Amino acid sequence: GAVVSQHPSRVICKSGTSVKIECRSLDFQATTMFWYRQFPKKSLMLMATSNEGSKATYEQGVEKDKFLINHASLTLSTLTVTSAHPEDSSFYICSARVDLALAYTFGSGTRLTVV
Amino acid sequence: AQKVTQAQTEISVVEKEDVTLDCVYETRDTTYYLFWYKQPPSGELVFLIRRNSFDEQNEISGRYSWNFQKSTSSFNFTITASQVVDSAVYFCALSESGGSNYKLTFGKGTLLTVNP
Repeated sequence: GAVVSQHPSRVICKSGTSVKIECRSLDFQATTMFWYRQFPKKSLMLMATSNEGSKATYEQGVEKDKFLINHASLTLSTLTVTSAHPEDSSFYICSARVDLALAYTFGSGTRLTVV
Repeated sequence: AQKVTQAQTEISVVEKEDVTLDCVYETRDTTYYLFWYKQPPSGELVFLIRRNSFDEQNEISGRYSWNFQKSTSSFNFTITASQVVDSAVYFCALSESGGSNYKLTFGKGTLLTVNP
């Protein structure tokens, strides 16, 4: 089946630095990638939707200059958290829509801790 | 705008009990898709089922069953003879067709704890 590989699984960074999270679709082409954020014991909140080759569409309240999304190819999408602060600490999950099946394949998530 | 409500925040049962997780949704689309996902402590989302809006047949898969009722906009999930391994957070989600890239909207989730 369709697999999305997400790296890193865990990252600790210092306040003020930037962190890049990668999601790769291993055996299919991901035309659309979704990025979610999940706080402890909370639901998944959609941050943005990215289509290959075009700018990402951000949900209301999500700072696009802080959460940079790049979807330059059909197999790779990245989320960069710029100038990270402790309040950015969260669980970030990517999801690729598998077109023909209208199914969604999720990455395994990245736990970001900003100290 | 689409919305998913899971009114039960937490449920605790004893092993072998049956348990039903409720899900109510709102959408203006006539074509939409409903999902259930399981999220164990590891954090990875496990796909359980997808249902199309035009297919109201209930489904059974082993100990799992789903009851889709368009008249009440509900898509409830029942686990029969629950097991400790069923302990997880369960999310109901909705995807609308057209114009939204089929983005998934999640409910707040229900934490199910199955005690031995």
